[in-house]
Amino acid sequence: GIQVEQSPPDLILQEGANSTLRCNFSDSVNNLQWFHQNPWGQLINLFYIPSGTKQNGRLSATTVATERYSLLYISSSQTTDSGVYFCADGYSSASKIIFGSGTRLSIRP
Amino acid sequence: GAGVSQSPSNKVTEKGKDVELRCDPISGHTALYWYRQRLGQGLEFLIYFQGNSAPDKSGLPSDRFSAERTGESVSTLTIQRTQQEDSAVYLCASSFPGQAHGYTFGSGTRLTVV
Repeated sequence: GIQVEQSPPDLILQEGANSTLRCNFSDSVNNLQWFHQNPWGQLINLFYIPSGTKQNGRLSATTVATERYSLLYISSSQTTDSGVYFCADGYSSASKIIFGSGTRLSIRP
Repeated sequence: GAGVSQSPSNKVTEKGKDVELRCDPISGHTALYWYRQRLGQGLEFLIYFQGNSAPDKSGLPSDRFSAERTGESVSTLTIQRTQQEDSAVYLCASSFPGQAHGYTFGSGTRLTVV
């Protein structure tokens, strides 16, 4: 089955810093998504990005499907960016998605 | 409703008892998913419902776990004879058919087995 690996597992940064989170996939990329889980446990869908680049404010994501990886960029990080970032992929658009183990991001004021 | 609703938000149960967790998806979302998240870990797929199709139960960890869904609405996840290793947050998500990228998650049920 699909294996999803994320790096780094933990990241501690000062407010204002930029960060790059990586996701590698063992199989073809079909349904790649990035999620943010805030410190209260709520999961929010950030991007659906099976290929190409998308931007939403200070966040952007790039997926290189041919090389089976995706990157999430956070610029000018804020304390509210803290939490765990998960990437996930599935076999098709109409199936379950498999989550990576996450990157825990801590932004210090 | 406006979002995915899960109940109860917290449940403490004694080892060996049965528990039932409920998920109310967004209206019109025919796809419904259950995941389990142990403390400090990622999300583990449990089961997936899509309309009237047979559910994908490939993630259920043992025969103590079962789930049902009534039509395209409420789903219940039942854990029989709970064990301490069942302690986790159980998350439900829903989406429109063929749009797994439109997942909306509920706030989860935190289950503690003592």
